[in-house]
Amino acid sequence: QQQVKQSPQSLIVQKGGISIINCAYENTAFDYFPWYQQFPGKGPALLIAIRPDVSEKKEGRFTISFNKSAKQFSLHIMDSQPGDSATYFCAASLNSGYSTLTFGKGTMLLVSP
Amino acid sequence: DVKVTQSSRYLVKRTGEKVFLECVQDMDHENMFWYRQDPGLGLRLIYFSYDVKMKEKGDIPEGYSVSREKKERFSLILESASTNQTSMYLCASRTTGADNYGYTFGSGTRLTVV
Repeated sequence: QQQVKQSPQSLIVQKGGISIINCAYENTAFDYFPWYQQFPGKGPALLIAIRPDVSEKKEGRFTISFNKSAKQFSLHIMDSQPGDSATYFCAASLNSGYSTLTFGKGTMLLVSP
Repeated sequence: DVKVTQSSRYLVKRTGEKVFLECVQDMDHENMFWYRQDPGLGLRLIYFSYDVKMKEKGDIPEGYSVSREKKERFSLILESASTNQTSMYLCASRTTGADNYGYTFGSGTRLTVV
């Protein structure tokens, strides 16, 4: 049973545009929500993460928006660049060093020049 | 920076072979994980380990086993490789320390079983 649903599967955005990727989770006990970025031939790398005590977290051009009541969170990439072209995974877990991450299925982002 | 090193980038094995995938991390992390990545299916957890000699089944452990004899090394074993185990295998590690629950991944091993 998939516990983290991610959409869209793929996304094409023009350079300078806003990329938006959405995730929804089922387990209300989840309280740690990271996003990973993966370039071809590389392993995923932690991009940004949020805990549910805040509704938004921003790091440079990347922002996570979190809606606890709707059990949804999203990644916004402002001023998208061709170098942002990658696969993005959302994930969720309990806020514990003894929990495991449950990943979404990924979104392949292409930023056209 | 934490480094997670997977011993092989590409492997080709025959059906029925016993296959060992090796992973080493250099930051004294307690937790280590094995995932497989398939197009359209995302990352699925095979096995994980909280510490030396410990192992826990993930979501898809069938056909796999693991070994963790030293803290820095976590091995994934395919007892009798099958074509449906052709995949990208990703190893990750993580500390159990507070405020840092993100994984560090290796670059992956692309395994083809023929």
